[in-house]
Amino acid sequence: SAVISQKPSRDICQRGTSLTIQCQVDSQVTMMFWYRQQPGQSLTLIATANQGSEATYESGFVIDKFPISRPNLTFSTLTVSNMSPEDSSIYLCSVEESAGELFFGEGSRLTVL
Amino acid sequence: EDQVTQSPEALRLQEGESSSLNCSYTVSGLRGLFWYRQDPGKGPEFLFTLYSAGEEKEKERLKATLTKKESFLHITAPKPEDSATYLCAVRDTYSSASKIIFGSGTRLSIRP
Repeated sequence: SAVISQKPSRDICQRGTSLTIQCQVDSQVTMMFWYRQQPGQSLTLIATANQGSEATYESGFVIDKFPISRPNLTFSTLTVSNMSPEDSSIYLCSVEESAGELFFGEGSRLTVL
Repeated sequence: EDQVTQSPEALRLQEGESSSLNCSYTVSGLRGLFWYRQDPGKGPEFLFTLYSAGEEKEKERLKATLTKKESFLHITAPKPEDSATYLCAVRDTYSSASKIIFGSGTRLSIRP
């Protein structure tokens, strides 16, 4: 299975600032997925990141708030822009394995003050 | 519409006390049902994939089973280190990975 590394693992941010989360995979993958998990909640898909094209966003998520880059087949970034306390969450990067399941990184835990 | 419901929301057990977690699902066609373990503040760790009714998978003290409407995660003689949130997810036959539906999870606490 793929090894997925995320940075930062956690951060405390001020309201109105932006933070970029990095995701590195140890193998080439076509699609990378970004999820959000708010406190006490399950996982919600933010967007699918494809190499060479714009990310596909789910309902309720917009590019201006969550810009995504996908410069190659092993790397992606998610930026959380103009943060508010409601953005305090765990942000997760994931990839699809051959049997159809998703594997996740360790997550980036953001606290917005 | 695909749906996943997990019960109970939380479960507290004594060490050694076996029990089961439930995942009820609705899909038009099942490509896979997935179980994950999630520790606080961490990403979900993949445990099992089940593909068809009657299938069973085991890993240490965990055993997952599948019927046409639900899956059970049986925990035998649990230890405190089994404390975590257990997530169930399903994928429809005709959907992409972006359409995997996650349940809300069961928070399991094992007291020594």
